[in-house]
Amino acid sequence: LAKTTQPISMDSYEGQEVNITCSHNNIATNDYITWYQQFPSQGPRFIIQGYKTKVTNEVASLFIPADRKSSTLSLPRVSLSDTAVYYCLVGESPSNTGKLIFGQGTTLQVKP
Amino acid sequence: DAGITQSPRHKVTETGTPVTLRCHQTENHRYMYWYRQDPGHGLRLIHYSYGVKDTDKGEVSDGYSVSRSKTEDFLLTLESATSSQTSVYFCAISGQGGGSYNEQFFGPGTRLTVL
Repeated sequence: LAKTTQPISMDSYEGQEVNITCSHNNIATNDYITWYQQFPSQGPRFIIQGYKTKVTNEVASLFIPADRKSSTLSLPRVSLSDTAVYYCLVGESPSNTGKLIFGQGTTLQVKP
Repeated sequence: DAGITQSPRHKVTETGTPVTLRCHQTENHRYMYWYRQDPGHGLRLIHYSYGVKDTDKGEVSDGYSVSRSKTEDFLLTLESATSSQTSVYFCAISGQGGGSYNEQFFGPGTRLTVL
């Protein structure tokens, strides 16, 4: 399973765009990149998933360069409620076991 | 809401006693997982299941066993609880209708304290 590296913490202000980058140098051909968000006292919540290039949904965008060795989660115009821990995960293809490894994540603190 | 519940939500027990945590889903997801979360460690996978009676170990499986006798229930058992197993335990599910298992839906968590 590919190991991921992401910053331990980040600070931002309301209304700013936040970009969290994750490094996954050993990503395998069939691996997908997935990001989760976790609020205190709750389980993680799926945000976005991608394989290559760019993926966008109503919550965030995910940018993946051609070599796929890193990815960037972009949160547009954050608010105080976006304060949470964000996890970057790399997982095997659906034909395999479904095991995912959560790292320590990035704690995002949004300030007023 | 992916229809996943955990019971109990809170439990305090003594060292050496057996403990069973239950995860129940109503969405017919194929995969089910048990994680523990501790300060400074993020979430760590204990065991997971890829079908009825099909289970495998995660990265921190020592001291834990699991069983899945039907699709909707995944049980985590601590045969003899130790203080190091004090943690918050999360169950997750994925793979409904052949969808990506990478999108896991998490339960509300069980806070277990072993004295």
